[in-house]
Amino acid sequence: EAQVTQNPRYLITVTGKKLTVTCSQNMNHEYMSWYRQDPGLGLRQIYYSMNVEVTDKGDVPEGYKVSRKEKRNFPLILESPSPNQTSLYFCATTDVYNEQFFGPGTRLTVL
Amino acid sequence: EDQVTQSPEALRLQEGESSSLNCSYTVSGLRGLFWYRQDPGKGPEFLFTLYSAGEEKEKERLKATLTKKESFLHITAPKPEDSATYLCAVQAPGRRALTFGSGTRLQVQP
Repeated sequence: EAQVTQNPRYLITVTGKKLTVTCSQNMNHEYMSWYRQDPGLGLRQIYYSMNVEVTDKGDVPEGYKVSRKEKRNFPLILESPSPNQTSLYFCATTDVYNEQFFGPGTRLTVL
Repeated sequence: EDQVTQSPEALRLQEGESSSLNCSYTVSGLRGLFWYRQDPGKGPEFLFTLYSAGEEKEKERLKATLTKKESFLHITAPKPEDSATYLCAVQAPGRRALTFGSGTRLQVQP
């Protein structure tokens, strides 16, 4: 089954404690991205990757890092999380027809 | 700056009561306009892509239309299983990122 998986699905952490949210896809798509979703603000792109070792900032990259060492994986790293990063996070891939496939989401709470 | 405004924010319909959701957009050129459905606790699910004014696409009870300034998602004779948040997004030329609206939360009552 074609899918995008994210882990963990839920995470509660404290300010300053480094964390990583993993994202994996089995569709061989080159383009992957991370979004955050906040009430009233919609989905906003954090970072994207056009292929292995190629990443770039989206609209709200501050406080986040990513890496793309393999085609299937695109982890999101928060080196020093802060409460304003409390949000719902989605990983997504895009196929050659420009259709996006979203993961199930990771709900992050930073205390 | 690209902008997407969706209305209404929330809509409650009776089963069988047809209606339309609106997506107004401002973008420098339009590479594509996208509609997604999002169920609680899940990621958005792709519905349609529209590329040019006058284009229409249909899927079951849903029909999406596009003009130069807005898109409509028409829901004909909705059922309770159509209850979800519907998201609209635009893509500008030269950008892969999408600009999303805040969504319309649709509730269809039996």
